[in-house]
Amino acid sequence: DAKTTQPNSMESNEEEPVHLPCNHSTISGTDYIHWYRQLPSQGPEYVIHGLTSNVNNRMASLAIAEDRKSSTLILHRATLRDAAVYYCILKNNNAGNMLTFGGGTRLMVKP
Amino acid sequence: KAGVTQTPRYLIKTRGQQVTLSCSPISGHRSVSWYQQTPGQGLQFLFEYFSETQRNKGNFPGRFSGRQFSNSRSEMNVSTLELGDSALYLCASSFSPTTGGYTFGSGTRLTVV
Repeated sequence: DAKTTQPNSMESNEEEPVHLPCNHSTISGTDYIHWYRQLPSQGPEYVIHGLTSNVNNRMASLAIAEDRKSSTLILHRATLRDAAVYYCILKNNNAGNMLTFGGGTRLMVKP
Repeated sequence: KAGVTQTPRYLIKTRGQQVTLSCSPISGHRSVSWYQQTPGQGLQFLFEYFSETQRNKGNFPGRFSGRQFSNSRSEMNVSTLELGDSALYLCASSFSPTTGGYTFGSGTRLTVV
């Protein structure tokens, strides 16, 4: 399975943008890049996913490098409720629908 | 719209016993997956069901089993419980697992004593 590398933790100030990086240098052409986040005492929550093009939704934006070896999840204005562990996951639909979670990035948001 | 419902929320069992956990997916979702979360191993995939068929299985011993019913509700069973089975067990459902995301429940916290 292709693996992802994320920083263990990041800090942000409230109401500022946050850029969460993810490296996936061994990504294959059929791997989708998924992001989930897990708030304290809750199950993971789907954030966004993409294949090659940048993606936007109401929660965040996903910027994918041209060579697809890295991606960045962008939260446009961090709030205290965005404090969570963010997981970057490569999902290959040809290899089943399981999500392989790594350690993720713990995002702390300061007021 | 109701989310993914897992019951019970908390459970305490004794070593050697067996346990059954239940998951009700979002209405219309036919894919249900189960995950185990522990502080040491993080989130690990257990199995996935679609239309009552197990499509994928993670690297867990045969003591871990599951099934899915015709209404898409799913159960997982762990027999001969060990202390190391203490974990948060999470269920996730999806309408289209190949093109969309999963919605997770809040989990069942199992403690084995």
